[in-house]
Amino acid sequence: AQSVAQPEDQVNVAEGNPLTVKCTYSVSGNPYLFWYVQYPNRGLQFLLKYITGDNLVKGSYGFEAEFNKSQTSFHLKKPSALVSDSALYFCAVRDNGGYNKLIFGAGTRLAVHP
Amino acid sequence: NAGVTQTPKFRVLKTGQSMTLLCAQDMNHEYMYWYRQDPGMGLRLIHYSVGEGTTAKGEVPDGYNVSRLKKQNFLLGLESAAPSQTSVYFCASSYAKWGNQPQHFGDGTRLSIL
Repeated sequence: AQSVAQPEDQVNVAEGNPLTVKCTYSVSGNPYLFWYVQYPNRGLQFLLKYITGDNLVKGSYGFEAEFNKSQTSFHLKKPSALVSDSALYFCAVRDNGGYNKLIFGAGTRLAVHP
Repeated sequence: NAGVTQTPKFRVLKTGQSMTLLCAQDMNHEYMYWYRQDPGMGLRLIHYSVGEGTTAKGEVPDGYNVSRLKKQNFLLGLESAAPSQTSVYFCASSYAKWGNQPQHFGDGTRLSIL
């Protein structure tokens, strides 16, 4: 069965420090992986995706993600966190059933402290 | 360019009442989706549509019906609301081409069933 796990409910980081939000996946075949961010009372906004090619993917707002096939992971990273990065982050994998359907993780709340 | 628009934004219903949530997209996307978001559970797919006049069940379809009479609109109906359907509902859409397109989300409808 396909699934996505985000092992941390919340990540706390000080402003200016690097941040990592973890994601592991389980899917047969090559994975298509996505990260989304959700601000309060808003919908999900697309950050970045991995389809194929370089294992380091760059996205919006200075975020990047590292794909690791052997560890089945796709961790979200940013070199220097901002208070405005505080939000709910979702990892997702494309459903092998097609039609761009996504399977989402439970989400990780990122809190960046001044 | 409004993207994906959901109406209403908030609604309170009594058990047994019915209502329809409307989703409209102006990006000419072929695929549309309805999700529900519950704390600690991420987003779960209720129903989806791959084109005008077509709909299909997702992960949690029970108690919901959908229709897509026009390409730009996707309606979600609750025939007899139950407290377990209290949730935040999100609509999303995506292009069909290439099979790896991100989904674009509306800002959600917050629904409470008393």
